[in-house]
Amino acid sequence: DTAVSQTPKYLVTQMGNDKSIKCEQNLGHDTMYWYKQDSKKFLKIMFSYNNKELIINETVPNRFSPKSPDKAHLNLHINSLELGDSAVYFCASSHLYRGVYEQYFGPGTRLTVT
Amino acid sequence: GENVEQHPSTLSVQEGDSAVIKCTYSDSASNYFPWYKQELGKGPQLIIDIRSNVGEKKDQRIAVTLNKTAKHFSLHITETQPEDSAVYFCAASIRGDMRFGAGTRLTVKP
Repeated sequence: DTAVSQTPKYLVTQMGNDKSIKCEQNLGHDTMYWYKQDSKKFLKIMFSYNNKELIINETVPNRFSPKSPDKAHLNLHINSLELGDSAVYFCASSHLYRGVYEQYFGPGTRLTVT
Repeated sequence: GENVEQHPSTLSVQEGDSAVIKCTYSDSASNYFPWYKQELGKGPQLIIDIRSNVGEKKDQRIAVTLNKTAKHFSLHITETQPEDSAVYFCAASIRGDMRFGAGTRLTVKP
């Protein structure tokens, strides 16, 4: 009965490769997000989708491309991986509840680029 | 855009003592202020939140206060226990666009 799930949990790959991280939520939420958490634990939003439509797109290299096949899924594809992409990536989802968007996070995917 | 500052970055307390973490935000349009607890190897977990039309909210040993005029809000944990040790994040949100503080690493010593 996992609410927000991500796969894989760990991803180790070499520079230059292309990889994807998948996210699914079974909460019935309309909005999903991708965050990057660096080694200093800082959480930075990357993208947000509402009902499969991109609504937040922060200053992220265009090597990162989110894809939302339906409102329960938001995948993150990364091309030409670089050392600086190493981080923990969190997916989250939210719903509008009494006028605010409560956000819930997945368990994270630790990406290591060597 | 919204900017959230959080202090302190690390906090060490004795079991049973209280812990206070403070945050400030810059955008007066922010209307939702959640707090998250992140344990090692896990995702941030929502532990309590406060809306802009409320000044204080309490849930057992955890309380949050909000001062809209000064644009700051705080997390108070009373009777701390070793299992409270984690990284805590504050956040400010406008219509689902959430910006986080840099986090506070809380250590509760038994």
